Amino acid sequence: AQKVTQAQTEISVVEKEDVTLDCVYETRDTTYYLFWYKQPPSGELVFLIRRNSFDEQNEISGRYSWNFQKSTSSFNFTITASQVVDSAVYFCALSEAGPTGANSKLTFGKGITLSVRP
Amino acid sequence: GAGVSQSPSNKVTEKGKDVELRCDPISGHTALYWYRQRLGQGLEFLIYFQGNSAPDKSGLPSDRFSAERTGESVSTLTIQRTQQEDSAVYLCASSHRTSEYNEQFFGPGTRLTVL
Repeated sequence: AQKVTQAQTEISVVEKEDVTLDCVYETRDTTYYLFWYKQPPSGELVFLIRRNSFDEQNEISGRYSWNFQKSTSSFNFTITASQVVDSAVYFCALSEAGPTGANSKLTFGKGITLSVRP
Repeated sequence: GAGVSQSPSNKVTEKGKDVELRCDPISGHTALYWYRQRLGQGLEFLIYFQGNSAPDKSGLPSDRFSAERTGESVSTLTIQRTQQEDSAVYLCASSHRTSEYNEQFFGPGTRLTVL
């Protein structure tokens, strides 16, 4: 069975601070996919990033960066110089490769509520 | 439209009534998923459709829940004899079949309130 743990439930920072959101996963599969989604107050889930289990390269996209470490089963997300618009709930999710390839259900963590104060 | 659409956006019903929630996936997306998000919680998988394959119903919480999908288009999630614990946001997502990608695009959800 697969599992995603986001131990942090709420984080509050002041604008311009850096913040790291932790994600730890469990899976028995050797092929799997990891995701981060953002859910702003409007409620709609916004895709941020996907990584597959064979690619451990860290990725940077603007103020966002992701650190994938298979050795610790972690896929952490860092926001640099946070802004008020970053306030949202952030979900980490895991998908195992289904029988037809990559399409498979997502297992979500419980989410981290990030509040960025001006 | 370009994205996943869901209707209604809000539904208030009385305990014991049946409800139907609709999802229109992105055109060309063969995979369609239903999830449930209870207040303050993460998303729970309910059911997954992939083309003409048998759906994965492993996440349906009880036999009061069912879903249908016609071909690779619209899906309907039906909850019979609703209970108060069914109150949640029901989210639909779709994705492309290509094995390289498993990015699921989510709709805005239907907020269900059972009184």
